[in-house]
Formats: sequence, C-alpha cells, structure tokens
Amino acid sequence: DADVTQTPRNRITKTGKRIMLECSQTKGHDRMYWYRQDPGLGLRLIYYSFDVKDINKGEISDGYSVSRQAQAKFSLSLESAIPNQTALYFCATSSGVSGDSPLHFGNGTRLTVT
Amino acid sequence: RKEVEQDPGPFNVPEGATVAFNCTYSNSASQSFFWYRQDCRKEPKLLMSVYSSGNEDGRFTAQLNRASQYISLLIRDSKLSDSATYLCVVNIRGGATNKLIFGTGTLLAVQP
Repeated sequence: DADVTQTPRNRITKTGKRIMLECSQTKGHDRMYWYRQDPGLGLRLIYYSFDVKDINKGEISDGYSVSRQAQAKFSLSLESAIPNQTALYFCATSSGVSGDSPLHFGNGTRLTVT
Repeated sequence: RKEVEQDPGPFNVPEGATVAFNCTYSNSASQSFFWYRQDCRKEPKLLMSVYSSGNEDGRFTAQLNRASQYISLLIRDSKLSDSATYLCVVNIRGGATNKLIFGTGTLLAVQP
C-alpha cells in the first residue's frame, strides 16, 4: 500500500460545486502539504500544515481551504469550483526534521472543472 | 525572472548516451537542493539531494555551483527507463520556515 494516499484519483465536476480532496499518510510525518501542478508552471504550494490544527497559506491559497483534524489526514476543499482550478493536485508529507527533509508525494488527484 | 529555471527540453538521446541538465536559481538564500523524477501522470519522487561537494549515486551525478547559482544532473549510460521529467527543487530559508521552489522540469526521452 502507498504511504501517502489520495482520493479520488480523478474527478470531474461543474463550476460552483463544492469539492473535497482527501489525503492520508502512514509515514508518521507531522508535516503535510497540498500542491497543484499545471503545465509550464511547475508545482505550486496551496496550503501546508506542520501539526494537527496548524494551518498555513501557501502561494496560491485563494479559493481553497484545508482541514488537519488528525496527524495522518489533510483534506483540501474547493468551496465553489471554477474552471481555472482544473489541475493535477498532489498531497505530500515530510518529517520536517531538517530543512533537507525530502517530500513524499501521494499519487495525485486529477481534477477537471467544467 | 523565475526563481528556479530549467530547460524544458525534450532531450532526445540514444540508449547508452550521457546527458546533462542544468538548473539555475536566483535567490542567494537558497539553502538546499534536490532533483526529483516525475514519470508521466505520476507523482514526483526524490532522485537525489545535491550537496556542495557534489554527489554520485550509480549512474547519476549531481553538482552544485553556488558562485554561479546552478545545479546540474548528469546521467551516464542512459536507459530507456530513465525517460521522465526531472524536476529541480530549491529550498530557500526564510524566517521560521523553509520554502521549496520547484522548477517546471526537463523532459528526457531515451530512444532505443
């Protein structure tokens, strides 16, 4: 089983709908992140959390919200989806022991907003 | 200017060839550096960290040049399975947290 699991893998939704993307991890890491990936733009950080109930905005948090109710789970919500939120979304974890701690990514959620 | 820049490629090379990618970064506060590999429609995976003294892992060698602000990845004896996008990642120290900046990736296609 994957250490970082995202659900769903694919989702098509309509403009204005509320969407939740789930992420769970078995690595025991405190730090969790949500990124989106768009062609030509690289991965961009949406939100991150260093511990339960700790929430921090990334560089593109507008239109998104997150919840970290347990160490192993970090969910991303789009309150009212819009077409430019169509992207590949990745959850990631890190141990945060040092600045060199690598990121461990989930298998991604491909979201299409029509 | 982007904080991290990579040549998007594609780099089309025959099996067995040696290929090198460079990645430039603009922030002198950059602290640590990584290469990630991403297969098509898959998640990025850490390939190797890049140390000041340079480091090697099998056919892969990573170098850091702080004076010129670039890192490089050299792949020797390319295999078909090396075909992927290689992401340069820079960790910038800032305040209480570090910030990871991802390049847009360099696409490598190894031809039989």
